[in-house]
Amino acid sequence: AQSVTQLDSHVSVSEGTPVLLRCNYSSSYSPSLFWYVQHPNKGLQLLLKYTSAATLVKGINGFEAEFKKSETSFHLTKPSAHMSDAAEYFCVVSDRGTNAGKSTFGDGTTLTVKP
Amino acid sequence: EADIYQTPRYLVIGTGKKITLECSQTMGHDKMYWYQQDPGMELHLIHYSYGVNSTEKGDLSSESTVSRIRTEHFPLTLESARPSHTSQYLCASEDRANTIYFGEGSWLTVV
Repeated sequence: AQSVTQLDSHVSVSEGTPVLLRCNYSSSYSPSLFWYVQHPNKGLQLLLKYTSAATLVKGINGFEAEFKKSETSFHLTKPSAHMSDAAEYFCVVSDRGTNAGKSTFGDGTTLTVKP
Repeated sequence: EADIYQTPRYLVIGTGKKITLECSQTMGHDKMYWYQQDPGMELHLIHYSYGVNSTEKGDLSSESTVSRIRTEHFPLTLESARPSHTSQYLCASEDRANTIYFGEGSWLTVV
């Protein structure tokens, strides 16, 4: 069984300040973890993913996330927010390698960036 | 850039009409999904498929049906649309590394 919890439904930051979007997960197996971004009226786009290599994962648009097994967390960060980062962000967990499994999505975090 | 396409992107139909939302992917992925999402809200899995002739209902009960006759095609059908079906429908496919690729979505309005 697997689950994912995004700890904040809304996050508001000022442009140029750091972004932190929090995600905790549970998984019976070694998980794959993902962050997706959704801009208004668009589908979801992959930001980054963790499989089994480096625990610090770099993604597009300056985002990165760190896999911490001891804390069962996969928080998304960015050093300096840009107005174009305002969107909905989804954390996803998938039990790696299972043929019959399906991915589980968090409820999403809305990021607002103030000028 | 993922090759997964949804049509129509936007549709307004009357109550009681039958509608099929099309979804096609050219990546040869076995796993495909349909999600329903209201604006600004979470995604709800309504149907999924692990391959040809495989279809399963998702976590959210839905009056829609799906079929998977070909690997690349995963259409979703509403036999009799109602205003409560007004929503965005997102189709997705998953590769062997568990990466999910989404279409642009189909916005359905039932009046």
